[in-house]
Amino acid sequence: QKEVEQNSGPLSVPEGAIASLNCTYSDRGSQSFFWYRQYSGKSPELIMSIYSNGDKEDGRFTAQLNKASQYVSLLIRDSQPSDSATYLCAVNKSGGSYIPTFGRGTSLIVHP
Amino acid sequence: ETGVTQTPRHLVMGMTNKKSLKCEQHLGHNAMYWYKQSAKKPLELMFVYSLEERVENNSVPSRFSPECPNSSHLFLHLHTLQPEDSALYLCASSQGRGGGGTGELFFGEGSRLTVL
Repeated sequence: QKEVEQNSGPLSVPEGAIASLNCTYSDRGSQSFFWYRQYSGKSPELIMSIYSNGDKEDGRFTAQLNKASQYVSLLIRDSQPSDSATYLCAVNKSGGSYIPTFGRGTSLIVHP
Repeated sequence: ETGVTQTPRHLVMGMTNKKSLKCEQHLGHNAMYWYKQSAKKPLELMFVYSLEERVENNSVPSRFSPECPNSSHLFLHLHTLQPEDSALYLCASSQGRGGGGTGELFFGEGSRLTVL
């Protein structure tokens, strides 16, 4: 089993819709979870971090964490074409590590 | 200068060349990372330095040699590379252990390496 798994996509949604991106992880002791956005030809940029079960909202973005199911997701409301990018899920190793393991990333396409 | 700066942005080298990638962070962080990003693959962790001490070496071939002279600078020395080493090399920094951080990474723009 891969440490951090994501569906590679592409996930295609119409403008204005909700995009839902999912990620599962294998290390049950992981405590820190991150979503990065990477535009084509650019480097990853941190957009959300979440550390406790439940939802965390920041503008149009909501991160959801369920440690029992080892599942973290990212919802993007009112999707815009500018949201088209690859979204990387990252999970820190257990034991208070500050070294993340990345998933393969999900490609999101928002079409007008 | 702000953030994380990488030079050069693009590098083409032959298999017998020796070159170096440079990374500089202006965020006051105490941890620095090298990642490799190849097409269709997840980001691969290569090295991590915390407080100038190497804390992770992820089974990287010896033709890659990191150097961290201080907490703001990180180098990746390259020698006798193979064509399969062609990739985007990303430097990142974070406030790691001892700094109260949780590992949120801030990336440089990357160095695109092509090995002929």
